[in-house]
Amino acid sequence: GENVEQHPSTLSVQEGDSAVIKCTYSDSASNYFPWYKQELGKRPQLIIDIRSNVGEKKDQRIAVTLNKTAKHFSLHITETQPEDSAVYFCAAAFTGNQFYFGTGTSLTVIP
Amino acid sequence: NAGVMQNPRHLVRRRGQEARLRCSPMKGHSHVYWYRQLPEEGLKFMVYLQKENIIDESGMPKERFSAEFPKEGPSILRIQQVVRGDSAAYFCASSPGVGSYNEQFFGPGTRLTVL
Repeated sequence: GENVEQHPSTLSVQEGDSAVIKCTYSDSASNYFPWYKQELGKRPQLIIDIRSNVGEKKDQRIAVTLNKTAKHFSLHITETQPEDSAVYFCAAAFTGNQFYFGTGTSLTVIP
Repeated sequence: NAGVMQNPRHLVRRRGQEARLRCSPMKGHSHVYWYRQLPEEGLKFMVYLQKENIIDESGMPKERFSAEFPKEGPSILRIQQVVRGDSAAYFCASSPGVGSYNEQFFGPGTRLTVL
């Protein structure tokens, strides 16, 4: 089955700086890569996703890049704000099937 | 348009009791996924269901755990004879179905505590 690794497990940045979280996956059949943000005690919320036919996608301060050859994808958050503090999960999936999640990155944005 | 609903939000059981968790998918969604999240860990896939069918239960323990998604009503995750190690947050997610987008929308979770 699919195996998703995520790094770093914790990340602290100063407000206004950028944050980058990286994930690798093992199954070349995976074709959908979502990122979820989970605040303490809350449900995971989809923040951005990318499909395997696209190399990069951007939505305001958030961007995701995908390298299919190397089987890795990354989340980039620019101009970080304190409300970006949360746990972020990457996932990989093949169309319609279950998600395989990374182990999460706890992001702290220091005001 | 109501999102994914789960109940109860919190459930306390003693060892040996049964836990029954419910999930109502978003309107128009026919696919339901259950995930378990242990404290300070990631989400682990348990089971994937469509109406009246279990598509993939490879992540679900063979014993004590079962799931269903009947033609009418919510999806149910059932844990029999609970043990302390079952304490976790259980999330369900729903999606429109194969052939459409993959997005899965998560419910608020049920936090199970086994005493």
